[in-house]
Amino acid sequence: SAVISQKPSRDICQRGTSLTIQCQVDSQVTMMFWYRQQPGQSLTLIATANQGSEATYESGFVIDKFPISRPNLTFSTLTVSNMSPEDSSIYLCSVVQGNVYEQYFGPGTRLTVT
Amino acid sequence: AQSVTQPDIHITVSEGASLELRCNYSYGATPYLFWYVQSPGQGLQLLLKYFSGDTLVQGIKGFEAEFKRSQSSFNLRKPSVHWSDAAEYFCAVGVSGGYNKLIFGAGTRLAVHP
Repeated sequence: SAVISQKPSRDICQRGTSLTIQCQVDSQVTMMFWYRQQPGQSLTLIATANQGSEATYESGFVIDKFPISRPNLTFSTLTVSNMSPEDSSIYLCSVVQGNVYEQYFGPGTRLTVT
Repeated sequence: AQSVTQPDIHITVSEGASLELRCNYSYGATPYLFWYVQSPGQGLQLLLKYFSGDTLVQGIKGFEAEFKRSQSSFNLRKPSVHWSDAAEYFCAVGVSGGYNKLIFGAGTRLAVHP
């Protein structure tokens, strides 16, 4: 399976600032996703990152808060904008390989907002 | 609506004992089913998957799962648990729509007593 890396692995940020998380894959993939995992919770899909077009956001998530870029088939970024303590979560990217539903995950970015 | 239910939030077993983690899904079409494991501070690792065919599937780390259509279940089993199996386990179902995506259960946290 693909090797997926995320930067940063963790960060502590102040309220009102923004953080950009990078996701890098060692091979070209068609589908990339961004998830949020709030403390003690399961994964919630934020959006599907589409190469060459705007991301597709799930209900409850908006582009102004979580802008996503996908400049090529191996890289994507997620920005968490105007952060509040409620944004403290683990953010994970994933890619599809093999079956269209088969996803592989990066190690995650642990974000704490103070 | 599509959903995944993991009835057990926490399970504790003794090392060497057998394990069964329950998963029930709600999805109208043929399900694509997955089990992932998340060790503390880590991303998600795919344990096993079911797409079609043999209803008993083998995965990594000695895990297996059985798909039972009549019960809408996909329970995860291991005959002898090791201390290193302590982690969070997530069941997921692949659903189709505008984009094919995964819906995750709430997770089951496994503790292993020595």
